[in-house]
Amino acid sequence: GDSVTQTEGPVTLSEGTSLTVNCSYETKQYPTLFWYVQYPGEGPQLLFKVPKANEKGSSRGFEATYNKEATSFHLQKASVQESDSAVYYCALIGGSAKLIFGEGTKLTVSS
Amino acid sequence: AQTIHQWPVAEIKAVGSPLSLGCTIKGKSSPNLYWYWQATGGTLQQLFYSITVGQVESVVQLNLSASRPKDDQFILSTEKLLLSHSGFYLCAWSLLGGDEQYFGPGTRLTVL
Repeated sequence: GDSVTQTEGPVTLSEGTSLTVNCSYETKQYPTLFWYVQYPGEGPQLLFKVPKANEKGSSRGFEATYNKEATSFHLQKASVQESDSAVYYCALIGGSAKLIFGEGTKLTVSS
Repeated sequence: AQTIHQWPVAEIKAVGSPLSLGCTIKGKSSPNLYWYWQATGGTLQQLFYSITVGQVESVVQLNLSASRPKDDQFILSTEKLLLSHSGFYLCAWSLLGGDEQYFGPGTRLTVL
């Protein structure tokens, strides 16, 4: 079945440093890939989606490129802020037509 | 603009008691609707989805049921709560089955 594996957290960074959260996926169908962010006590918010291979999604300074050959969709940000502290989820819709989430990566940014 | 409202915000219930959680979508006609469950510190697991009024498909039951009595309303319920039902329940909508989903604010359920 479809699955998503992402960087095991938690991740702690200082403000101004760069972030990479690894995400790899498995599906027998052509997937649409997503990154969601969840703040404490809230529902997840869509950061961005990328429906096509070798395309990039971006939002709020975060970006990820859908690498079909490597089946990866790593989230990156050049310079994190304290307000970026949250849990980040990689997700996909593949052959099952269900939205499948990774385990989540908790990011804490200290000033 | 579309809005999604969930009620109640939080519930504390006894084991064996009934439960009803609700979700309303405004500003979108005939959306696909979804229920998710999230354990504390865990990932999201889809429970049910509905593409139209009166039609609900179960993904993972967990001794829960769902109904869609109106186009803009989705209800999650059970007659008998278990300790394992504790967690965060999220309603979501999408325009089509393969589209991005937008989540509501969630309901925090504690079963004692």
